[in-house]
Amino acid sequence: GDSVTQMEGPVTLSEEAFLTINCTYTATGYPSLFWYVQYPGEGLQLLLKATKADDKGSNKGFEATYRKETTSFHLEKGSVQVSDSAVYFCALSGSGGTSYGKLTFGQGTILTVHP
Amino acid sequence: EAQVTQNPRYLITVTGKKLTVTCSQNMNHEYMSWYRQDPGLGLRQIYYSMNVEVTDKGDVPEGYKVSRKEKRNFPLILESPSPNQTSLYFCASSLGRRGELFFGEGSRLTVL
Repeated sequence: GDSVTQMEGPVTLSEEAFLTINCTYTATGYPSLFWYVQYPGEGLQLLLKATKADDKGSNKGFEATYRKETTSFHLEKGSVQVSDSAVYFCALSGSGGTSYGKLTFGQGTILTVHP
Repeated sequence: EAQVTQNPRYLITVTGKKLTVTCSQNMNHEYMSWYRQDPGLGLRQIYYSMNVEVTDKGDVPEGYKVSRKEKRNFPLILESPSPNQTSLYFCASSLGRRGELFFGEGSRLTVL
């Protein structure tokens, strides 16, 4: 079945540092890929997405490129801020017949940014 | 404002006492689903619904029931809660099969 693997956390950075959170996936067909963010005490919000190979999703300074050859969708940001502290989830939406409204999530990566 | 609303947000209960977590969306979405979030496991789908009166099991359905009598509502029912159902629960909806999921704010359930 489909699966998503994220890098182990937690990740602790200083403000203005470069961020990479690795994400790799296993899926049949042509999944859509997502990054969701969860701020403390809140639900998940879509951060960015990519629906086909070589697409780049971007939002709020974050970027991720759908790499089919390496089955990866790594999240990057050039300069993080304290307000980026949150839990980040990589997810995929499979193209299989039973994927009704279902996302398969990675385990989440806790990011803490210090001033 | 487009939103998914869950209630209650926090609940402490005892083993065996039936409870219902309500979920309502105002976006006219066809697809709704329930997830539970546990440390180190990410989110796992419990049940989903493709439309009114159409529901099916997700990855971890044991101990849960759902119903979809109206398009906007998708309650999660725990007939006889047990401590292993202590978790953070999220309801989500989407317009299409592979569309963006919109999440509620979560319901933190503790079963003693």
